[in-house]
Amino acid sequence: DAEITQSPRHKITETGRQVTLACHQTWNHNNMFWYRQDLGHGLRLIHYSYGVQDTNKGEVSDGYSVSRSNTEDLPLTLESAASSQTSVYFCASRGLDNEQFFGPGTRLTVL
Amino acid sequence: AQKVTQAQTEISVVEKEDVTLDCVYETRDTTYYLFWYKQPPSGELVFLIRRNSFDEQNEISGRYSWNFQKSTSSFNFTITASQVVDSAVYFCALSDGRNDMRFGAGTRLTVKP
Repeated sequence: DAEITQSPRHKITETGRQVTLACHQTWNHNNMFWYRQDLGHGLRLIHYSYGVQDTNKGEVSDGYSVSRSNTEDLPLTLESAASSQTSVYFCASRGLDNEQFFGPGTRLTVL
Repeated sequence: AQKVTQAQTEISVVEKEDVTLDCVYETRDTTYYLFWYKQPPSGELVFLIRRNSFDEQNEISGRYSWNFQKSTSSFNFTITASQVVDSAVYFCALSDGRNDMRFGAGTRLTVKP
């Protein structure tokens, strides 16, 4: 069965360190998204991609970057982690019928 | 700009009660999609339903039903005869089908035995 996975599931890091969160989907979807979930805000869009070599900024993109070198993967990088980036991160991919499938989430703590 | 409002932050009911979760949206698009997701305590996001803006038919799936009303820009979700397993955070979301999906802040439902 097709799926979307994220790794690691939990990560603790220190302020100032670079962190990369992985997202891999086997749906063969062109559209992929990264969200962060914080209490009281629901999910907010960080970055998204419509295909290989395409990346776009979302609502809360400052301090984050993504790259898309193939269809299956969209890694999210925190250039210099800050305590404000402590959150739960969800990756998603979207099919032609506009339904978004979400990964299991990565809980990131920045100390 | 697109916006989704879930005014109910938390709802608590006793098992077997019916409960309605409200969702009000704002968009200038004529074509859009509305969604409900469930997030149980385990943390994953579970897709419940998708509705496009041209289909105002209400939908029923077991104990779940959805009432889509364009006139009031609402897409409310009702659970009939609630069960403890329904305890979760429920998110309403809006998509224009192009860019992103805008989520409401979520409603935490607690169903007590």
